Amino acid sequence: EAGVAQSPRYKIIEKRQSVAFWCNPISGHATLYWYQQILGQGPKLLIQFQNNGVVDDSQLPKDRFSAERLKGVDSTLKIQPAKLEDSAVYLCASSLGQTGSPLHFGNGTRLTVT
Amino acid sequence: EDKVVQSPLSLVVHEGDTVTLNCSYEVTNFRSLLWYKQEKKAPTFLFMLTSSGIEKKSGRLSSILDKKELFSILNITATQTGDSAIYLCAGLYFGGSQGNLIFGKGTKLSVKP
Repeated sequence: EAGVAQSPRYKIIEKRQSVAFWCNPISGHATLYWYQQILGQGPKLLIQFQNNGVVDDSQLPKDRFSAERLKGVDSTLKIQPAKLEDSAVYLCASSLGQTGSPLHFGNGTRLTVT
Repeated sequence: EDKVVQSPLSLVVHEGDTVTLNCSYEVTNFRSLLWYKQEKKAPTFLFMLTSSGIEKKSGRLSSILDKKELFSILNITATQTGDSAIYLCAGLYFGGSQGNLIFGKGTKLSVKP
């Protein structure tokens, strides 16, 4: 089966600019997650969708981060304006959403904010 | 506060050695413990452990969960240079009907030839 697709792979922007990341989950996976992984740390959840509804966005910095999953398939994560501390790898993951189903991750987008 | 703590944070061994990676957790509404291997790309799924004391094996890798003591170990025998990676441990919990993961910082394993 095809894995979780993310683009772009790398992005370099200046602080205060905006950036958007795209994710296409595994076909049939109802649950989609965006994680932020800062160098040397484990992934941290930003937002979780079940189909096209938000399940958990408690750790999303909503003053600058936004995400949507229109039609319950693809998702985009946007940062506007970016700060230096947003430099990280942004991982998208999906799962069937059923009890005991593991998360499958995409290759991530490495963001560098200068 | 929920947390997952991995140790050691980094480890250097030689090919053929056996290594044990540790993971302790304090996770509310805990359901399962997951192990992932992360090289330069996406974390790839290794194991999901839900029952205590039952070892899961995949080739040279094995893992077990102790739900009484709240920890898990990942064993790698006869290590190879291809095992070099960051190994992430995560606690799966359920808030409402949906599962979610809280990750540890990972153990960086380097296997020297």
